[in-house]
Amino acid sequence: QVQLQESGPGLVKPSETLSLTCTVSGGSISSYYWSWIRQPPGKGLEWIGYIYYSGSTNYIPSLKSRVTISVDTSKNQFSLKLSSVTAADTAVYYCARGERYFYYMDVWGKGTTVTVSS
Amino acid sequence: EIVLTQSPGTLSLSPGERATLSCRASQSVSSSYLAWYQQKPGQAPRLLIYAASSRATGIPDRFSGSGSGTDFTLTISRLEPEDFAVYYCQQYGSSMYTFGQGTKLEIK
Repeated sequence: QVQLQESGPGLVKPSETLSLTCTVSGGSISSYYWSWIRQPPGKGLEWIGYIYYSGSTNYIPSLKSRVTISVDTSKNQFSLKLSSVTAADTAVYYCARGERYFYYMDVWGKGTTVTVSS
Repeated sequence: EIVLTQSPGTLSLSPGERATLSCRASQSVSSSYLAWYQQKPGQAPRLLIYAASSRATGIPDRFSGSGSGTDFTLTISRLEPEDFAVYYCQQYGSSMYTFGQGTKLEIK
């Protein structure tokens, strides 16, 4: 059974770069899309972007200038970097697996809270 | 960018009742790429329905999805206590995902 686990600092200073990693266990990273989604406190879900196992990426336009998602197939991991963070980037960050024919997200990590504060 | 608008924002019902949740898209969405998720407090979203009407693995048959074009519906036929949660619709198009703002289903 595939499981996802987010890891990274829970506190990031304003203007710095948020870095998170999602480790995929119980299955291969191949043949799926791998997304990052965030949820600000008390708000809804916002998709940030995805990477295909081959390395191609797509990002939400509003964050495209600040986001980089990368994959390390040898470690079964993919990562998120979000630069120049502000308090508005405070959220629970989830990683999720996207199915490649119907594009639903069927496996999610538990989420990790990232707070942007000095 | 396709905008998904869910209604109502909050739905107050009693266990045993039928729940009907709406998701309306700002432009036509492929039914193949419309999904519904359930989220409980402190938990990650859980996939319920994909391709507008297909139940995900392990989802009880009281959950059903329907719709096409710009109007989609999630129906819970008989509410169980564990069904009270927030529900999101999601679509994929133009190489990106968007979510609706959510419907909170609360106990009346």
